[in-house]
Amino acid sequence: SAVISQKPSRDICQRGTSLTIQCQVDSQVTMMFWYRQQPGQSLTLIATANQGSEATYESGFVIDKFPISRPNLTFSTLTVSNMSPEDSSIYLCSVEQDPSGANVLTFGAGSRLTVL
Amino acid sequence: GNSVTQMEGPVTLSEEAFLTINCTYTATGYPSLFWYVQYPGEGLQLLLKATKADDKGSNKGFEATYRKETTSFHLEKGSVQVSDSAVYFCALSPGYSTLTFGKGTMLLVSP
Repeated sequence: SAVISQKPSRDICQRGTSLTIQCQVDSQVTMMFWYRQQPGQSLTLIATANQGSEATYESGFVIDKFPISRPNLTFSTLTVSNMSPEDSSIYLCSVEQDPSGANVLTFGAGSRLTVL
Repeated sequence: GNSVTQMEGPVTLSEEAFLTINCTYTATGYPSLFWYVQYPGEGLQLLLKATKADDKGSNKGFEATYRKETTSFHLEKGSVQVSDSAVYFCALSPGYSTLTFGKGTMLLVSP
């Protein structure tokens, strides 16, 4: 299965600043997904990123707050803009990789952000 | 909408004890069901899956059976090890790439 590298693995940020998370995959993939895992909560899909087109955002998430880039088939970035303490979460990048078509996702280790 | 409910943790067991983590779901149609595991400091990994009713997914001694009549996908292992300590997530997919996750259940196994 694909190997996903995320940077940074963790960071402490000040309120009002922005941080960009990078996701690198060791193989070409069509779709990349960004999830958020808030403390004590389940994973929530933020957006789906396809190369060459605008990301598709889920209800409750907007491009101004979470701009996403997808410049090629192995890389994507997620920016968390104008951060507040409510943005403290683990952000995970994932890709679909299952030849059987059962929608299996592979995840990166996540980026743990703490906003003060 | 789709939803997944799993038992709250932490679940604390002694080594070699029997494990059950309950998972029930709400979905239209016939979703695929998954268990993912997250070891400390690592990303989520697929543990097992089942794509249709009565399928049994199994891996590393863990098993779960897709029960459509009870909309359940409970995770079981006959004899847990300390190395099984992790957070376990139940999830469903309605047939396209989006996954809906439960809140996760932390398992702590002591020697």
